[in-house]
Amino acid sequence: AQSVSQHNHHVILSEAASLELGCNYSYGGTVNLFWYVQYPGQHLQLLLKYFSGDPLVKGIKGFEAEFIKSKFSFNLRKPSVQWSDTAEYFCAVNAGNNRKLIWGLGTSLAVNP
Amino acid sequence: GAVVSQHPSWVICKSGTSVKIECRSLDFQATTMFWYRQFPKQSLMLMATSNEGSKATYEQGVEKDKFLINHASLTLSTLTVTSAHPEDSSFYICSAWASGNYEQYFGPGTRLTVT
Repeated sequence: AQSVSQHNHHVILSEAASLELGCNYSYGGTVNLFWYVQYPGQHLQLLLKYFSGDPLVKGIKGFEAEFIKSKFSFNLRKPSVQWSDTAEYFCAVNAGNNRKLIWGLGTSLAVNP
Repeated sequence: GAVVSQHPSWVICKSGTSVKIECRSLDFQATTMFWYRQFPKQSLMLMATSNEGSKATYEQGVEKDKFLINHASLTLSTLTVTSAHPEDSSFYICSAWASGNYEQYFGPGTRLTVT
């Protein structure tokens, strides 16, 4: 069965620190990859997505993610976090033309000012 | 663009009653919508896939007779929690599939409390 694992459940950083959140998936075929963010009290919104092409994807608010097919990974990065990045981050995958997303358990990021 | 609304945003009901939650895509048509539950500090649990004009597809372990889904138009899907019990208290989130962008857009969620 397809699955998505996020290695870091809780991350605490100071402002200006670099961020990398791990995401691995299990599925042997073509996949589409997503990172969503949920700020406190707000709804989920898309940070970035990968379908094909350049494996380094740039999203909103300075986030980027790199798809490494050989490692089945899609890690999220940001060079310098801000207090406003405090949120829950979810990695999600869908296979081929399947619209249903498979979700990771999420990572709670707290950035201290 | 690509806004999804949910109504109500918060509802309290008594045990044994039914509650209907609406999910609307405001500026695009969505042939597919999804319903999720989210528990505090946890990930989303997909409950069902709602397809316009056809029966919903429920995930394993989700009671279709308890969580009734209707997707009568390209912009509206409803979730009715029938005979609600306190254990149904949760945060329910819908999303709508935008085929043009090939991604899901999420509603703000509905907090259901069953007393």
